[in-house]
Amino acid sequence: AQTVTQSQPEMSVQEAETVTLSCTYDTSESDYYLFWYKQPPSRQMILVIRQEAYKQQNATENRFSVNFQKAAKSFSLKISDSQLGDAAMYFCAYRGYTGANSKLTFGKGITLSVRP
Amino acid sequence: GAVVSQHPSWVICKSGTSVKIECRSLDFQATTMFWYRQFPKQSLMLMATSNEGSKATYEQGVEKDKFLINHASLTLSTLTVTSAHPEDSSFYICSARQGAPGNSPLHFGNGTRLTVT
Repeated sequence: AQTVTQSQPEMSVQEAETVTLSCTYDTSESDYYLFWYKQPPSRQMILVIRQEAYKQQNATENRFSVNFQKAAKSFSLKISDSQLGDAAMYFCAYRGYTGANSKLTFGKGITLSVRP
Repeated sequence: GAVVSQHPSWVICKSGTSVKIECRSLDFQATTMFWYRQFPKQSLMLMATSNEGSKATYEQGVEKDKFLINHASLTLSTLTVTSAHPEDSSFYICSARQGAPGNSPLHFGNGTRLTVT
């Protein structure tokens, strides 16, 4: 079974600074997807960024980028120029390609606070 | 973009009663829907996977007779919490997948906060 580990329960960042959220995972598959989701106080799940395992290039979405290290099974999220609206819980998630592996497996999440 | 509507957004019920939560895909056909449970400050735990027209697949430890899931159409799945107890109080979230596994994105509902008194 796949597992996703987020070992840091909380992090804090100064507004306009950069923060990196860590995530590791375990799988025996060679093809899969990795995601970062944001959950603000409204509890709505918002997709931040997605990475296909077969792509070597790290995904980027505006101020959000990932450092995907397939061999190390590491998938960290970097938030640049942090804004107050970035404060939320962030979940790293894994999804396989087919069948039972295509369900989303979430890490425990990390609570990010942004200091003004 | 694809929208998933979850209703109600919050509900309070008395112990022993049943509560139904609906998850609708508004502008796409959802071949598969997923139901999650989330306790405060914790992760989303998958409860079950439902495919249109077939029985739901429950995760280990989830009581299928307590959490009834029906996926009667390609746009609607329902979760019924039967004989609810205070320990069933939680935040329930659905997600819907458009198309086959693989590259198909998942779309989340806004969740339902259930409080059992």
